Amino acid sequence: DAKTTQPNSMESNEEEPVHLPCNHSTISGTDYIHWYRQLPSQGPEYVIHGLTSNVNNRMASLAIAEDRKSSTLILHRATLRDAAVYYCILYAYSGAGSYQLTFGKGTKLSVIP
Amino acid sequence: DTAVSQTPKYLVTQMGNDKSIKCEQNLGHDTMYWYKQDSKKFLKIMFSYNNKELIINETVPNRFSPKSPDKAHLNLHINSLELGDSAVYFCASSQDKTARRNEKLFFGSGTQLSVL
Repeated sequence: DAKTTQPNSMESNEEEPVHLPCNHSTISGTDYIHWYRQLPSQGPEYVIHGLTSNVNNRMASLAIAEDRKSSTLILHRATLRDAAVYYCILYAYSGAGSYQLTFGKGTKLSVIP
Repeated sequence: DTAVSQTPKYLVTQMGNDKSIKCEQNLGHDTMYWYKQDSKKFLKIMFSYNNKELIINETVPNRFSPKSPDKAHLNLHINSLELGDSAVYFCASSQDKTARRNEKLFFGSGTQLSVL
């Protein structure tokens, strides 16, 4: 299984930027890096994904290291609504011609008012 | 309109019973999934169906049987429920086959199953 390593928890003050790190040293050249988040009592929600280049969307930015062994999800201004568990996932080959998302433990982000 | 909807939201039942959880997506997606989130909050894939055909079948007891009457629906039937089946079950969908590694998954809000 393609694995990722994230801190168990992080804290941020409201309206400040948040950098959520992820290590994925065993990544293969064709694995995409995906980020999802799960708000309390809800299903996971897609945040962003990338392969090699940094990516931006309306929710966040994804910075990918040149060797692709780590990445950082950047929330530019944390709000209370961003308090969630953030999962860094490698969308990897699972056999029989298919790929799947394998969730790890994630990082629980707390946002302080 | 809710993109991926599951019913019921809560399900409380006795050991040994048979129960079903329904899932529907209105996104026009071809692939649907069932994930299980246990008490330690680990999310694990159970099944994946593409256009009514089983694609992924992880190591899940055969008491769990997914059924896909059409590509917009993937129901989960569980026979002879056990205490260890208590968890939150999430349905999800994606546009195309899982062979596309940049697919986004859309999840439902979950069904909390409690087996007493």
